[in-house]
This record gives sequence, structure tokens and C-alpha cells, in this order.
Amino acid sequence: AQTVTQSQPEMSVQEAETVTLSCTYDTSENNYYLFWYKQPPSRQMILVIRQEAYKQQNATENRFSVNFQKAAKSFSLKISDSQLGDTAMYFCAFIAGRDDKIIFGKGTRLHILP
Amino acid sequence: SAVISQKPSRDICQRGTSLTIQCQVDSQVTMMFWYRQQPGQSLTLIATANQGSEATYESGFVIDKFPISRPNLTFSTLTVSNMSPEDSSIYLCSVGTSGRYEQYFGPGTRLTVT
Repeated sequence: AQTVTQSQPEMSVQEAETVTLSCTYDTSENNYYLFWYKQPPSRQMILVIRQEAYKQQNATENRFSVNFQKAAKSFSLKISDSQLGDTAMYFCAFIAGRDDKIIFGKGTRLHILP
Repeated sequence: SAVISQKPSRDICQRGTSLTIQCQVDSQVTMMFWYRQQPGQSLTLIATANQGSEATYESGFVIDKFPISRPNLTFSTLTVSNMSPEDSSIYLCSVGTSGRYEQYFGPGTRLTVT
């Protein structure tokens, strides 16, 4: 079975701090793509960052970066210099094999405190 | 990324009635999906909307309850039929292009059934 586990249901950090959200996944496929989506209270799902499993280099998008450990099936998200606008639910997800369906984790609710 | 709109953004409906939700994309896309999301929860895939053929439904979802249309590569509708309070949820459409392995989401429709 293909699964995504986010072990932190909720987190709070002070503005400007760095925070890391954890994610582990399970798939028997060799070819897959990993994602972090952000869903603020406005409920619009926003693609934050994408990682191809065949690439060893960790993806980065401005203040957002990932730590992809393929052997451990781990895909954590680091947010540097956190801002109030980063307050949102964050979902870890992946697409595996030839299937275009996304498998989502249960999400981590992140609060950035002023 | 594609610009996706959904109508209506929210609605309050009486039990036993039906509501049709529209999803419009500003460019042609191969894949369109419909999800349901309970407040504070993860996303559950309802079905894949296939252009020119019947939608492919996930386990637990049936065509009689959630009929889907996809007349072209930029538009799809989801109907929630014979609604009950258990259908109260957020419904989201997403789009993707086959082979690109990423999906983009519409803003969602918040449905409340009384």
C-alpha cells in the first residue's frame, strides 16, 4: 500500500524562526514525485515544492527547502525565516509510478506566532 | 501553473436537493480530478474526470451520487445528488498534465447541507 505519514499534527513557531515539518512515505515504485502543498485558511491549495525521486539534489524554492532521504523514505520541509503568511495546513504528498493520482498525508497545521 | 476557478465558492442547500459545482481552467489540461475535504482533514479523491468518457470513481463513491461531466479539456462539473448533512464538506477540483506529475487545485466549494 502507498501511504504518507505526517507525524506532527500541529506545530507553532515564532516569526523569523526556522521550522521543519516531517514526512515519511511508503511505495514500492522506483519512479515517483514528492510534493509539499500549503493550504492557508482561505483553503486554496498551493504547490510549495516538488522533488523528483531520481534527483539526489534537494529542491529549494526561496525560503522553502526539502531534505529528501530516499533510502529512509523521508521528505521533510524546512521553512526558513518563517513569516505570518506561512500559517497554514501543510500536506506532504506523492505520485508514484504511471498513476497520476496523488497520495496525501493527513497534514500538519503550522502556526507562525508574532 | 494553470488558473483554476470554481463556482459556486460556497452554498447552503437543503437535504434531498442536488448541487452542481463547476471547474474551469484557463488552458487545456489532460487530467482533472475531484476531491472532498472535511474541515481540518486531508483530501479524499472522489473521481478522475475523463474527457469524452465516463469518470473513474474511487472506492466508496458512485456515479449516481456524484455524477461528473467533462465535455472538453478545460471544464468539468461535479454534481452532489440527493444531499444529506453528511455531504457537508469542501469540494475541490484539481488539474494536471499527463507526464508532468504535478497537480494544481481550484479554490474549492464549501457546501453546507441543512
